[in-house]
Amino acid sequence: AQSVAQPEDQVNVAEGNPLTVKCTYSVSGNPYLFWYVQYPNRGLQFLLKYITGDNLVKGSYGFEAEFNKSQTSFHLKKPSALVSDSALYFCAVSPASGTYKYIFGTGTRLKVLA
Amino acid sequence: GAVVSQHPSWVICKSGTSVKIECRSLDFQATTMFWYRQFPKQSLMLMATSNEGSKATYEQGVEKDKFLINHASLTLSTLTVTSAHPEDSSFYICSASDRKGRNQPQHFGDGTRLSIL
Repeated sequence: AQSVAQPEDQVNVAEGNPLTVKCTYSVSGNPYLFWYVQYPNRGLQFLLKYITGDNLVKGSYGFEAEFNKSQTSFHLKKPSALVSDSALYFCAVSPASGTYKYIFGTGTRLKVLA
Repeated sequence: GAVVSQHPSWVICKSGTSVKIECRSLDFQATTMFWYRQFPKQSLMLMATSNEGSKATYEQGVEKDKFLINHASLTLSTLTVTSAHPEDSSFYICSASDRKGRNQPQHFGDGTRLSIL
């Protein structure tokens, strides 16, 4: 079965420090990969995507993500965390064939401490 | 660009009533819309995929007679929770995908908090 894993329920990081939110996937073929952020009582906001090309993808609000095909990972990163980055982050994978459905990870709550 | 508007944001109603939630793509045409349900501190659960002009495709375990989906135009999909009961209380989120392809991100509405008394 195809799946997406976010192994950490919560990540705590001090403001100004780099952050990483992990995502690995088990999806056949060459899927498309996405990161979203969710603030309380809001929908999901798109951060970035990997389709093809450079393994390091830059997105909104200073976030970037590193695609590693051999490890089937797509970790979200930011060089310097802000308190306002505190939110729930979701990794999503869209298989390259079939429907447009996403396979979501379980989400990681990021807490940036002042 | 790529704005999805979901209405209402909050709704409280009595058990047994029906509730309609609207999802509109404001600046693009959405051939496909998705309806999700999110429980507290959990991920999104896909309920159904809504295609313009055709019947929705429901995920396993989702009652199609309970959750009626209509996608009558390229900019509007509706979810009607029929004869709602307290266990239907949840956060419902829609998303939309434009016709440009699967490598384009889904764009999400801000969700609807449904509380059934």
